[in-house]
Amino acid sequence: TQLLEQSPQFLSIQEGENLTVYCNSSSVFSSLQWYRQEPGEGPVLLVTVVTGGEVKKLKRLTFQFGDARKDSSLHITAAQPGDTGLYLCAGVWGETSGSRLTFGEGTQLTVNP
Amino acid sequence: NAGVMQNPRHLVRRRGQEARLRCSPMKGHSHVYWYRQLPEEGLKFMVYLQKENIIDESGMPKERFSAEFPKEGPSILRIQQVVRGDSAAYFCASSGTGRDTEAFFGQGTRLTVV
Repeated sequence: TQLLEQSPQFLSIQEGENLTVYCNSSSVFSSLQWYRQEPGEGPVLLVTVVTGGEVKKLKRLTFQFGDARKDSSLHITAAQPGDTGLYLCAGVWGETSGSRLTFGEGTQLTVNP
Repeated sequence: NAGVMQNPRHLVRRRGQEARLRCSPMKGHSHVYWYRQLPEEGLKFMVYLQKENIIDESGMPKERFSAEFPKEGPSILRIQQVVRGDSAAYFCASSGTGRDTEAFFGQGTRLTVV
């Protein structure tokens, strides 16, 4: 069973600060997705990374996929209260069936005004 | 293009009753996945279905839980004789054909067993 470790589990910062969330596995990902989930809602896809070393930007969010495709990071610049939420990374490995995802435990981000 | 639709959004059942959760995938998607999320935890895979076939049910408890995705109509996750430990949010996701295609999630059904 592939495991996916996400850190930190909780993060509380002030508006304007930067932060990084990490996602690691001992196995090579076929692809990795980052989601954001708000209370009472389903996860919303932010980005998919597939190629080792890939970097994708989404406004103030920067997603990086490790060269070996075993880890990924999400960096938020100048965090805002609207960024508050649960950030989840989810991976697909090898010949895993379809797009079945294995999720990390999530990072609960709170941005205080 | 409507997203993944789940209903009901909230479901309350007494212990021993049956719970039926429905999921209609996005238009054009033929793959459906069910996940369970306990409070303040990540999502845990339960089952992966294509039309009329269960492809992978390795995450689903062997007893009381079943899932189907008929040729016509939504996918159904059925929990028989519910217990308090079944209380959770159940999410459905759908994707298109091909490996590694992106999965999109519904808003979930929050099951409360009293």
